[in-house]
Amino acid sequence: SQQGEEDPQALSIQEGENATMNCSYKTSINNLQWYRQNSGRGLVHLILIRSNEREKHSGRLRVTLDTSKKSSSLLITASRAADTASYFCATVSTSYGKLTFGQGTILTVHP
Amino acid sequence: DGGITQSPKYLFRKEGQNVTLSCEQNLNHDAMYWYRQDPGQGLRLIYYSQIVNDFQKGDIAEGYSVSREKKESFPLTVTSAQKNPTAFYLCASSIVARKYDQPQHFGDGTRLSIL
Repeated sequence: SQQGEEDPQALSIQEGENATMNCSYKTSINNLQWYRQNSGRGLVHLILIRSNEREKHSGRLRVTLDTSKKSSSLLITASRAADTASYFCATVSTSYGKLTFGQGTILTVHP
Repeated sequence: DGGITQSPKYLFRKEGQNVTLSCEQNLNHDAMYWYRQDPGQGLRLIYYSQIVNDFQKGDIAEGYSVSREKKESFPLTVTSAQKNPTAFYLCASSIVARKYDQPQHFGDGTRLSIL
């Protein structure tokens, strides 16, 4: 079953702007991961945040996790046209050790 | 370079036919996974394997079969029992089975269509 739900489903911004994508989930998690998928390609792992962490940074990416609200956000700062892709959150629950993916956010960055 | 290779990139299936999708990895990963992705959807787990000669059903295993005879290879067969096989199929691997904080590495997928 799909545990994660991303919001918005689609996001269109101009180059240089920040992009924020949100993910909500339903059960207790071990960790939450964000992946990126370019059109027609496989997924690429971006960042992993554990349930006892609140915030994590990697380059232009900032991920937050609020376990009380069962939600996470991915912020991409100073976006570039090359950031155009679909972004998925995936959770690993404490009871089901495999990744469960959300439906994704389609990000379009206009040059 | 290490990675995951899926072949073919495009595959067509006729009625009543079984087809096999190839997945090979040279990352020395123990665990391998097969996912199905439908348009505008996330990924759903079909089968996974944590070690050679062992595999487990995922959420949507009906109509599919797998084998894991070698660490490097995890082929997926889409059988005629799968009535709606048209989808994008993704293979992935991760370093150590039963460690749930490992990222998964993905191949570039096989797009399967019905003739």
